[in-house]
Amino acid sequence: NAGVTQTPKFRILKIGQSMTLQCTQDMNHNYMYWYRQDPGMGLKLIYYSVGAGITDKGEVPNGYNVSRSTTEDFPLRLELAAPSQTSVYFCASSYSGQGAHGYTFGSGTRLTVV
Amino acid sequence: AQSVTQLDSQVPVFEEAPVELRCNYSSSVSVYLFWYVQYPNQGLQLLLKYLSGSTLVESINGFEAEFNKSQTSFHLRKPSVHISDTAEYFCAVSDGSETSYDKVIFGPGTSLSVIP
Repeated sequence: NAGVTQTPKFRILKIGQSMTLQCTQDMNHNYMYWYRQDPGMGLKLIYYSVGAGITDKGEVPNGYNVSRSTTEDFPLRLELAAPSQTSVYFCASSYSGQGAHGYTFGSGTRLTVV
Repeated sequence: AQSVTQLDSQVPVFEEAPVELRCNYSSSVSVYLFWYVQYPNQGLQLLLKYLSGSTLVESINGFEAEFNKSQTSFHLRKPSVHISDTAEYFCAVSDGSETSYDKVIFGPGTSLSVIP
């Protein structure tokens, strides 16, 4: 049981480049999330999805886009990368919307924009 | 909207000593409360949770947390820490309502360093 798988683990982007962070889960969870983690700031929600075809903005969506064409996959797209997007990105999934069963997190993608 | 405060950003403690990591949340009618642990270069893992019932909840590795509604707190404790407990600990809260989705709000984290 792989859980939540994120790729790549590390990436360096130049300012203005674009990339897609991949996230896939094999637990048949309807709810999926993208967070960014910055030192001393905890986790900030970027986007979330309550099921295939349904996505919505979180606290910090600017500069990002998502899609959810299948239950398993929830890619995060960065357009026109900026230094402010240097961060560690975590994808997570959950069985219920209130998180009562807990979130399952991927191991993260460390992104540096130079 | 919910908010979570973790009063200590860093907590150094000697091995086999007790530790308490503090967490306070903004008040709400009902809440779900969580502690997550993040080991170096890994994602977060659920450590324990309070949904309802007994106010004292325990994890499998000796941590416990107590829900205190009057003080809106959910402090994490361990009577004797090990080197392997060195990690970042995040307190989190959601409203616990019956709507289809309620955000889980994470605190800023507390870095626990266990000193040999």
